[in-house]
Amino acid sequence: AQSVSQHNHHVILSEAASLELGCNYSYGGTVNLFWYVQYPGQHLQLLLKYFSGDPLVKGIKGFEAEFIKSKFSFNLRKPSVQWSDTAEYFCAVIGNAGKSTFGDGTTLTVKP
Amino acid sequence: ETGVTQSPTHLIKTRGQQVTLRCSSQSGHNTVSWYQQALGQGPQFIFQYYREEENGRGNFPPRFSGLQFPNYSSELNVNALELDDSALYLCASSLGQGKNSPLHFGNGTRLTVT
Repeated sequence: AQSVSQHNHHVILSEAASLELGCNYSYGGTVNLFWYVQYPGQHLQLLLKYFSGDPLVKGIKGFEAEFIKSKFSFNLRKPSVQWSDTAEYFCAVIGNAGKSTFGDGTTLTVKP
Repeated sequence: ETGVTQSPTHLIKTRGQQVTLRCSSQSGHNTVSWYQQALGQGPQFIFQYYREEENGRGNFPPRFSGLQFPNYSSELNVNALELDDSALYLCASSLGQGKNSPLHFGNGTRLTVT
């Protein structure tokens, strides 16, 4: 069975601090990995995705994520956060059957 | 391009009733997925429709059913509503049914069952 675990439920940072949000997944086959973001009052939107190739993927707004197969991880990073990054972040896995599994999300609060 | 739209935005129903939620997919997308998001949790996959047929289902009972129409819009029907069905219901459209297709989400329908 697919599962996704996001260890940090709520992260509070000051502007310019570095960010790393953890995501671990379990799945027996090849997966595609995604990070979605939900800004206050908006719908979920794609931040970045990994299908294959270079395990370090870059997304919008300076975010990046690294796929480490041996650790079943896909952690999200940003070197310097901004107040506008305040949002909820979801890691998701899609397996071969097209079924998607989301983590429970991490709420990021960036203090100005 | 027109994004994913869902209706209604909010709904209050009584336990035992039936409800229909609607979703218009993003222009050009042929696949629709439905999710249930309870407070404090991530979206839980209910099912996916591709070319008017159910194509994958999560761990939801048969009283959760759906339809997809030739224009790729979709409905989610829930019969015999229970209190635990109170949640945000999200629709997402994508181009293709496979795992390479990022999801484009609507704003959701907030269902409250009393």
